[in-house]
Amino acid sequence: QSVLTQPPSVSGTPGQRVTISCSGSTSNIGSNYVYWFQQLPGKAPKFLVYRNNPRPSGVPDRFSGSKSGTSASLAISGLRSEDEANYYCASWDDSLSGPVFGGGTKLTVL
Amino acid sequence: QLQLQESGPGLVKPSETLSLTCTVSGGYISGSPSFWGWIRQPPGKGLEWIGSVYYTGTTQYSPSLKSRFIVSVDTSKNQFSLRLDSVAVADTAVYYCARRDQQLALGWEDWGQGTLVTVSS
Repeated sequence: QSVLTQPPSVSGTPGQRVTISCSGSTSNIGSNYVYWFQQLPGKAPKFLVYRNNPRPSGVPDRFSGSKSGTSASLAISGLRSEDEANYYCASWDDSLSGPVFGGGTKLTVL
Repeated sequence: QLQLQESGPGLVKPSETLSLTCTVSGGYISGSPSFWGWIRQPPGKGLEWIGSVYYTGTTQYSPSLKSRFIVSVDTSKNQFSLRLDSVAVADTAVYYCARRDQQLALGWEDWGQGTLVTVSS
């Protein structure tokens, strides 16, 4: 059972906009930044979003993060087949004194 | 371009010691404002941060795993390592080494390809 809660799966068609939610609590998302990672099948995770919204260099602006209260979201616009992957949210947890991850959301591009 | 490469045994017997090494190329651990860490992923499951080390030797560990793992750095070899004593079947996972900027608590920007460690007799 992950500390951060994500839907197990989401799907969309090419060109569509999808969002992936990440729910936490006051000890993690509510008081700390949220980060997002993309993991293509059989590959290492890739850093997508940091500190709720900014993107590392090289990440397309189709990916955008947001946070409100104890929840966060990752939006992917202009969906492409290569976006099919697992997506993980992460945040620091003050109670646990360490990072916590969501269980991951599998994005399927139909 | 910074590259990280994990190395170590793919199969370990229960109760034995697991040792993994991450070799960094294309940059130097020494003097870098980065934390070098280990993250694991059991088959079909999510990510779990294990611990990190700064080039000075300062370490950070997951509170839930702290007593089981040791992370260390060897700047002369441009490597950092992970040690786990008394492994159990539940420690079976892909182990990744990664780098984050010291200012970004979870900003793991550079990753190794990962190495699968299976704990089985």
